[in-house]
Amino acid sequence: DTAVSQTPKYLVTQMGNDKSIKCEQNLGHDTMYWYKQDSKKFLKIMFSYNNKELIINETVPNRFSPKSPDKAHLNLHINSLELGDSAVYFCASSHGTGGGQPQHFGDGTRLSIL
Amino acid sequence: GQQVMQIPQYQHVQEGEDFTTYCNSSTTLSNIQWYKQRPGGHPVFLIQLVKSGEVKKQKRLTFQFGEAKKNSSLHITATQTTDVGTYFCAAGTHDYKLSFGAGTTVTVRA
Repeated sequence: DTAVSQTPKYLVTQMGNDKSIKCEQNLGHDTMYWYKQDSKKFLKIMFSYNNKELIINETVPNRFSPKSPDKAHLNLHINSLELGDSAVYFCASSHGTGGGQPQHFGDGTRLSIL
Repeated sequence: GQQVMQIPQYQHVQEGEDFTTYCNSSTTLSNIQWYKQRPGGHPVFLIQLVKSGEVKKQKRLTFQFGEAKKNSSLHITATQTTDVGTYFCAAGTHDYKLSFGAGTTVTVRA
């Protein structure tokens, strides 16, 4: 009965590879997010979708491409992985758009680039 | 985007003592939220403050929103080892975003 679930939990790969992270929520929320948390724990919003429409697209390299097939799923594909991509990536969801509603986070995907 | 300053970055507390973490913005906020992230875990929503001067309590945690809605604080009394983690404030703005502060990482000496 996990609310926001991400897979995989750990991802170790080499520089230059392409990888995807998947996220699903069963809370009935209509907005989903991707955050990147660096080694200093700073949480930075990357993307947000509301009812499958992209509403937040922060300054993120275009190697990162989100995709929302329906409002319960938000995936993140990363091309040509670089060392600086090493971080924890969190998926989150909320009712309505992000500014005024509490967000529920997944357990995170720990991405390590060798 | 909205900048939210959070201090201190680190807080080392003797078990049983109190401490406070502060969150400040240069602009008026629509709301402020607080989250807690345990080591190795994910951020967990604690509370949301919306009204000017609002004060809310959760057991030993007291949350306050400033009168001008530009600052907030989290005060923890009688710190316990279960309070270890990073506490984030997050500012709600009118452009769909929740801007997180840098967090206060709390360690507790038994």
